[in-house]
Amino acid sequence: EAQLVESGGGLGQPGRSLRLSCAASGFTFEDYSMHWVRQAPGKGLEWVSGISWNSASIAYADSVKGRFTVSRDNAKNSLYLQMNSLSAEDTAFYYCVKGNLIQRSLDLWGLGTLVTVSS
Amino acid sequence: QSALTQPASVSGSPGQSITISCTGSSDNIGYYNYVSWYQHHPGKAPKLIIFEVSNRPSGVSDRFSGSKSGNMASLTISGLQAEDEADYYCSSYTASTTHVLLGGGTKLTVL
Repeated sequence: EAQLVESGGGLGQPGRSLRLSCAASGFTFEDYSMHWVRQAPGKGLEWVSGISWNSASIAYADSVKGRFTVSRDNAKNSLYLQMNSLSAEDTAFYYCVKGNLIQRSLDLWGLGTLVTVSS
Repeated sequence: QSALTQPASVSGSPGQSITISCTGSSDNIGYYNYVSWYQHHPGKAPKLIIFEVSNRPSGVSDRFSGSKSGNMASLTISGLQAEDEADYYCSSYTASTTHVLLGGGTKLTVL
């Protein structure tokens, strides 16, 4: 069964950094684009970042550009999100999501990991 | 502010049908047949329920259907059940940005 499991969330201080990880299983990870989507408390889903299968194409939402860096390790079936210069507005559940380029959809989501930014 | 506009909330009684709209532009919904819908129960992983405007992934109930007219897409849920109470999000492909477009979400309440 295909599965995505996020980790690395927790309490982060304003201005500091956190690194999220996502472990993929049950599908050929290296064949698919991957994304991070977040949901702040009481808000809707917000796309954060996406990375192509070979890391050649990377994109970020304007709200995180210059502060967050997405990467992947196909040998380890893993996706990462390095989050720097954290602010309270980054407090959210962060979901790891598998992209489907043919359907242009997001066809598998993880349960998410909670990031809380507070001093 | 999202490029795709959804109503904040809709409601219906068990057994009824409801429709959730998603309004975009000629740059996204109006041009491409790549509209997706996602169901999100709080505390659970969001789930793809419609792709390519009207196709259902394997295992998704046929009570869920999608359509599109012009710049607006719609998700219809027929025979409402209590378990359908969730948040629903639309998404559309656009070539004008590498970003993924997501609607603001609609909270469905089953009365």
